[in-house]
Amino acid sequence: DTGVSQDPRHKITKRGQNVTFRCDPISEHNRLYWYRQTLGQGPEFLTYFQNEAQLEKSRLLSDRFSAERPKGSFSTLEIQRTEQGDSAMYLCASSVIAEQFFGPGTRLTVL
Amino acid sequence: ILNVEQSPQSLHVQEGDSTNFTCSFPSSNFYALHWYRWETAKSPEALFVMTLNGDEKKKGRISATLNTKEGYSYLYIKGSQPEDSATYLCAPSDDGNNRKLIWGLGTSLAVNP
Repeated sequence: DTGVSQDPRHKITKRGQNVTFRCDPISEHNRLYWYRQTLGQGPEFLTYFQNEAQLEKSRLLSDRFSAERPKGSFSTLEIQRTEQGDSAMYLCASSVIAEQFFGPGTRLTVL
Repeated sequence: ILNVEQSPQSLHVQEGDSTNFTCSFPSSNFYALHWYRWETAKSPEALFVMTLNGDEKKKGRISATLNTKEGYSYLYIKGSQPEDSATYLCAPSDDGNNRKLIWGLGTSLAVNP
């Protein structure tokens, strides 16, 4: 499978716990994006990497959120001290130029 | 680009009906307009990426037009089928280097057999 993959697909956690999601982009796609979709809303941009460099972070990304792309390939998104408001679908996408290819998302539920 | 609006929010049609959706967006700093189709439990699927004013693109029964000067795009589905049921999202990207997508809320389409 040469598409974008995300792991896990679903995560249920208790408030206050840390969680980490992984995204494997399409091979050789240098651009990688994280978006978040909450119920009833369209997806919202969180952060963007070009190769290993994190070039933009949304104001939505509080200091509890951190993202990395250490070798310019896969990326991780970590949420520390989760809150109920973090419950959402977290989407990863990769691209070369314009068209972004999306993974299936990780659905996070914080109890 | 700050505000993307899509209409209608939801649509129920009968199989065979043709339908269209609207996406409006601020026309300043525009780079490209993306249309995605998103079915529940699946990845958003790219339908079209359009950059030029007056662009028209077609894929099977689905087509789209773009007006960058007035800031709108239309998506048309001819002869809707039950498998067209999904949420259709538009997302312009700005002319900055990151090309991040700014999403609308989507139009939820249900096609009854």
